[in-house]
Amino acid sequence: GENVEQHPSTLSVQEGDSAVIKCTYSDSASNYFPWYKQELGKRPQLIIDIRSNVGEKKDQRIAVTLNKTAKHFSLHITETQPEDSAVYFCAASIGNTGTASKLTFGTGTRLQVTL
Amino acid sequence: DVKVTQSSRYLVKRTGEKVFLECVQDMDHENMFWYRQDPGLGLRLIYFSYDVKMKEKGDIPEGYSVSREKKERFSLILESASTNQTSMYLCASSKIEPQHFGDGTRLSIL
Repeated sequence: GENVEQHPSTLSVQEGDSAVIKCTYSDSASNYFPWYKQELGKRPQLIIDIRSNVGEKKDQRIAVTLNKTAKHFSLHITETQPEDSAVYFCAASIGNTGTASKLTFGTGTRLQVTL
Repeated sequence: DVKVTQSSRYLVKRTGEKVFLECVQDMDHENMFWYRQDPGLGLRLIYFSYDVKMKEKGDIPEGYSVSREKKERFSLILESASTNQTSMYLCASSKIEPQHFGDGTRLSIL
């Protein structure tokens, strides 16, 4: 089955700096890659996702890049703010139109943004 | 806004008990999922369902079963709870993608 590795496990940046979290996946058939943010004591919430027919997607300060050849994808957060502090999870799945996607998650990155 | 509701935020049970965790979604989603979340291990899929009365094993189904009698409700059952099932349990639902999560149930087995 699919295996997703995520690095680093913890990341500390100063406010205003950029943060990058990297994930690799094993199954070349995977075609859907969401990123979730989980604040302390709260539910995971989708922040951005990308499909394999796109190499990059951006939403304000957040961007995701995908390299299908190398089977890795990355989350980029620019101009970090204290409210970006959370645990971030990447995931991968083989998404098919009209059926459930079975997500495989990475082990998470705890991001701390310091003042 | 999608709402996925888990019946309990915290639950304490004893080893050997039969435990039911309930999840309800209000968006008429076909797909529902149960995960457990443990520190350093991320979210691991236990079971999922893509239709009423249909179920599929995830990556760690041992010791668990599920029930989906109605479209909006998906139950996770621990047949005979053990201490290694102490964990955070998260329910999710989706039309196709993305998955929307509930607040989780922190289950302690003593």
